[in-house]
Amino acid sequence: QSVLTQPPSVSGAPGQGVTISCTGRSSNIGAGYAVHWYQQLPGTAPKLLIYGNSNRPSGVPDRFSGSKSGTSASLAITGLQAEDEADYYCQSYDSSLSGYVFGTGTKVTVL
Amino acid sequence: QVQLQESGPGLVKPSETLSLICTVSGGSISSYYWSWIRQPAGKGLEWIGRSGSTNYNPSLKSRVTMSVDTSKNQFSLKLNSVTAADTAVYYCARDLGGYENWFDPWGQGTLVTVSS
Repeated sequence: QSVLTQPPSVSGAPGQGVTISCTGRSSNIGAGYAVHWYQQLPGTAPKLLIYGNSNRPSGVPDRFSGSKSGTSASLAITGLQAEDEADYYCQSYDSSLSGYVFGTGTKVTVL
Repeated sequence: QVQLQESGPGLVKPSETLSLICTVSGGSISSYYWSWIRQPAGKGLEWIGRSGSTNYNPSLKSRVTMSVDTSKNQFSLKLNSVTAADTAVYYCARDLGGYENWFDPWGQGTLVTVSS
């Protein structure tokens, strides 16, 4: 039931940067609802990475940043490190579904 | 620091009811909202619903019941008439409420397999 679309995978060399897109529609991101991002390391529970489009919880490195425009949002990771290899999910609210929705997920590989 | 721990049977038979409990430590359950989220193996996340309300995922609403036990600092999920499609890791998470809500923190998750 994923109504937020993400690329299945992105990759980059250590030290480089990658960007993950999250494309929604007029009933979720386009309606102005905030986008949040989670990092899921292999075999673990998701962890909040970005909240309210662009805010980092305490302890999250400033290498991670979020933005939103129109019906899409993006997560940027700069200075890639091996420990950034994980699955990343966006999340928002959808008014037509009357509930919270997650993105399809993106696997980040550090080459 | 709030921590959450899911518990319940790891195996449920088809057509029966899946029952899980989430125990909250490090804070009062009365201070926040609480949600259940699931993830089939190798797939994405799906929000199930918010405890203490009737705010459930429309696709699951007819089969879901959630409740809160403030005396035990626990909240629960019941999903009836399960099928193999309900096999997933089930997470509980703190829910700040409102349309702008995010989920933090999460429990470690518990795998529930639906099989005879």
